[in-house]
Amino acid sequence: GAVVSQHPSWVICKSGTSVKIECRSLDFQATTMFWYRQFPKQSLMLMATSNEGSKATYEQGVEKDKFLINHASLTLSTLTVTSAHPEDSSFYICSARDGVQGAKNIQYFGAGTRLSVL
Amino acid sequence: EDQVTQSPEALRLQEGESSSLNCSYTVSGLRGLFWYRQDPGKGPEFLFTLYSAGEEKEKERLKATLTKKESFLHITAPKPEDSATYLCAVQPEETSGSRLTFGEGTQLTVNP
Repeated sequence: GAVVSQHPSWVICKSGTSVKIECRSLDFQATTMFWYRQFPKQSLMLMATSNEGSKATYEQGVEKDKFLINHASLTLSTLTVTSAHPEDSSFYICSARDGVQGAKNIQYFGAGTRLSVL
Repeated sequence: EDQVTQSPEALRLQEGESSSLNCSYTVSGLRGLFWYRQDPGKGPEFLFTLYSAGEEKEKERLKATLTKKESFLHITAPKPEDSATYLCAVQPEETSGSRLTFGEGTQLTVNP
């Protein structure tokens, strides 16, 4: 149980284009999903928290107009990197919190998306 | 400000050589402490969650313990497949939405 699917696993795009990353909870309902960014040899940095049906909460320094987050259902959240530039190249990871098991507050992670902007 | 410090940054062990990883934390109040394993190019895999000082959890060769200031991840008789980066994260009581603060991780290498 507690499987989170993230797609695509790797994407290469040209500078100025937009990229959408999907995060799905396969066997549970996720009232809250999280988006992280990870640079090589570094830990996870939280970008934003999204709750189903409401606007995402962004961390300080994260541009909400550049990193668009949609959490339209209890099993799907998407992150769109708009007008991507080489400095946006990174490893993006989503996680989901099981709403039913909410008391345990465990986040389950997707496999990550490697974004390379040329 | 919540802080999580993991040590050592890297650890090399021989197969069968037991050791411990440390996670020191500073939070205003702890709701939970989490251990994850991360393989290269993959997302973190949940291992344990601990909620109160004195609590212990075990899974195969791994055992996690918690005090009021730190947590240890004990690895008994490790195997090469235990090689990975181990991440510690805390969830403060005051946090909303279950956000986590992660440490930098300990990169474990187990040689055959």
